[in-house]
Amino acid sequence: GAVVSQHPSRVICKSGTSVKIECRSLDFQATTMFWYRQFPKQSLMLMATSNEGSKATYEQGVEKDKFLINHASLTLSTLTVTSAHPEDSSFYICSARDPAGENTEAFFGQGTRLTVV
Amino acid sequence: TQLLEQSPQFLSIQEGENLTVYCNSSSVFSSLQWYRQEPGEGPVLLVTVVTGGEVKKLKRLTFQFGDARKDSSLHITAAQPGDTGLYLCADHPPTNTNAGKSTFGDGTTLTVKP
Repeated sequence: GAVVSQHPSRVICKSGTSVKIECRSLDFQATTMFWYRQFPKQSLMLMATSNEGSKATYEQGVEKDKFLINHASLTLSTLTVTSAHPEDSSFYICSARDPAGENTEAFFGQGTRLTVV
Repeated sequence: TQLLEQSPQFLSIQEGENLTVYCNSSSVFSSLQWYRQEPGEGPVLLVTVVTGGEVKKLKRLTFQFGDARKDSSLHITAAQPGDTGLYLCADHPPTNTNAGKSTFGDGTTLTVKP
C-alpha cells in the first residue's frame, strides 16, 4: 500500500516556541492531505485540509493562525504549531489519499506526539 | 452530516476468545475502511469493502458489509494480545464529495489479556 511518512514521531518543546511537523507521501503525489488531532482513546478529529498550491481549509474551532499549514509540493505538507502551550500537547496525525489508488483509501503517517512543557 | 457509531466502545477479553465489533452509519457508505491503531502509532488500514453483502477475511479477522451498505462488523477469532488496539471504521468519499473529507467512528478499544 501507499506510504505516508510523518516526522518527528515525538517532540518536546517549551511553552511559547513553535514546532513544525512534516508529512510526506513517499510513493504517490497527494494534492490533498489531512491533519488530525487525537486525544487518548478517542477517535481522530479533523483539524484542516491541506491543499497543494492553495490555502488550507480549517475546521470550525481550529485557529488557523495557531496551526499553520503549508502544502508547498505534491509530496509534502507541514503543520506548524505556533506559540505552543501545554494544552496543545496531543497526538497529531496526517493522512493522504492516493488519487490513483483503488477505492480512494486514506493512508496515515505514524503520528507525532507533541508535549509542551 | 454522516455519523458513524461503533460498539462497543471498550472491550477487554482473554486470549483465545472470539469477539465482534460493529460500525453503523447514518447514511450509505461510499466505501468502508477498517483500521487498527496501536498506541503511539498512526492507524493502519486493515480492509476496504465496497459492495453490499461483501465478506472479506484477513487471517483471523472477518469483515462483513451489510446489504444496505450502512453497517459493518469485524469478527476476530481466537484473539491474541497482538490484536490489542483501537479499531476504527471510516468512510472515505470521493475527492469531489465534501472535499474528500473522511468520517471516522469513535472507535472500539480492544484489550486482549494473555
